[in-house]
Amino acid sequence: SQQGEEDPQALSIQEGENATMNCSYKTSINNLQWYRQNSGRGLVHLILIRSNEREKHSGRLRVTLDTSKKSSSLLITASRAADTASYFCATDDGGNTPLVFGKGTRLSVIA
Amino acid sequence: KAGVTQTPRYLIKTRGQQVTLSCSPISGHRSVSWYQQTPGQGLQFLFEYFSETQRNKGNFPGRFSGRQFSNSRSEMNVSTLELGDSALYLCASSWTGTNYEQYFGPGTRLTVT
Repeated sequence: SQQGEEDPQALSIQEGENATMNCSYKTSINNLQWYRQNSGRGLVHLILIRSNEREKHSGRLRVTLDTSKKSSSLLITASRAADTASYFCATDDGGNTPLVFGKGTRLSVIA
Repeated sequence: KAGVTQTPRYLIKTRGQQVTLSCSPISGHRSVSWYQQTPGQGLQFLFEYFSETQRNKGNFPGRFSGRQFSNSRSEMNVSTLELGDSALYLCASSWTGTNYEQYFGPGTRLTVT
């Protein structure tokens, strides 16, 4: 089954800098979603991008999708200490098939 | 609108015992999915229920089972617990299924000793 693979595994930046995380997957997808998880807690949905979309924005978040390269990126601009969390991409291939999550990128934003 | 709730939040069990975890979805959501999260394997899909029917099942042994009630509340059961079942169990609800935004509960932290 397909699986998103996030890169890098861990990222440490200073407050105010931008953070970019990448996700690659193996087979065709219907949607790709990004989630955030604060330490040991539930996941929070950030953005859903459909396979026919190339870019979406939500506040300080920008997601791009390149289906030809089977990859997506999540950009967080002007990062804050509160953005410290793990970020996961998740894909589905349509028809209510299960979401498949990657292993995540652990982001640390240092004040 | 109340979020997804999971009970209990923490649980300690002994090998060989069984455990039942509960999930109450957001009102109006008919799809409930369960995930197991461990440091080694990450987030793995257990099963999804929609309108009381199991619609998808992940690659877990038969010791893991679940059900959904008419009010969309869901339970999952793990019998004959093993040490490797120690994990954070997350449930997520959505309007119709996995190709929509999933709303996650805070999780149940299960420790098997």
